[in-house]
Amino acid sequence: ETGVTQTPRHLVMGMTNKKSLKCEQHLGHNAMYWYKQSAKKPLELMFVYNFKEQTENNSVPSRFSPECPNSSHLFLHLHTLQPEDSALYLCASSQSRNEQFFGPGTRLTVL
Amino acid sequence: AQKITQTQPGMFVQEKEAVTLDCTYDTSDQSYGLFWYKQPSSGEMIFLIYQGSYDEQNATEGRYSLNFQKARKSANLVISASQLGDSAMYFCAMRERLGATNKLIFGTGTLLAVQP
Repeated sequence: ETGVTQTPRHLVMGMTNKKSLKCEQHLGHNAMYWYKQSAKKPLELMFVYNFKEQTENNSVPSRFSPECPNSSHLFLHLHTLQPEDSALYLCASSQSRNEQFFGPGTRLTVL
Repeated sequence: AQKITQTQPGMFVQEKEAVTLDCTYDTSDQSYGLFWYKQPSSGEMIFLIYQGSYDEQNATEGRYSLNFQKARKSANLVISASQLGDSAMYFCAMRERLGATNKLIFGTGTLLAVQP
């Protein structure tokens, strides 16, 4: 039990679908992160939120839309994805610059 | 730009033996932090150990220790007395400051297989 949960754990969607990934942290942290882990590539940071404000968008395509309603919840809204977007999407949280704690990830397959 | 290099795609180790996973880094910052994470097949990234660039002693956490050689820019992870449950991907990461938060730069990982 890491204190960071993600739902769903697995998701299969078509290119015309709209879906959302959810992340919740129970650690009282102020910062939350979305990472993408594709096969045979290092983890890539996508977005960073600090106290609900987005502080980093790492040149992510607009078909990925993050939302952070409060410091405990983070969403990633997906629409018109491509097959190359299939990956493991990991959420993490931290207290400022301290170590990041990760959730179990959502394994996304885009058909 | 900061970069993490892990040159061992895969490693085998016998149960109860020690194993060293290599990590080298490149940065122009004077102050930085290095992390090791473990990723089992379930996908979750588990934080193992942290070393700050100004820490004089090598970090240790139970069976994990970090062999930090600043001049060589290396931060190797040593796992002592390997267990079957240690089989996983291991990632080295460096902290890059992003205002009041961090950005982690990850290496490509090393797949460790512990054999009985």
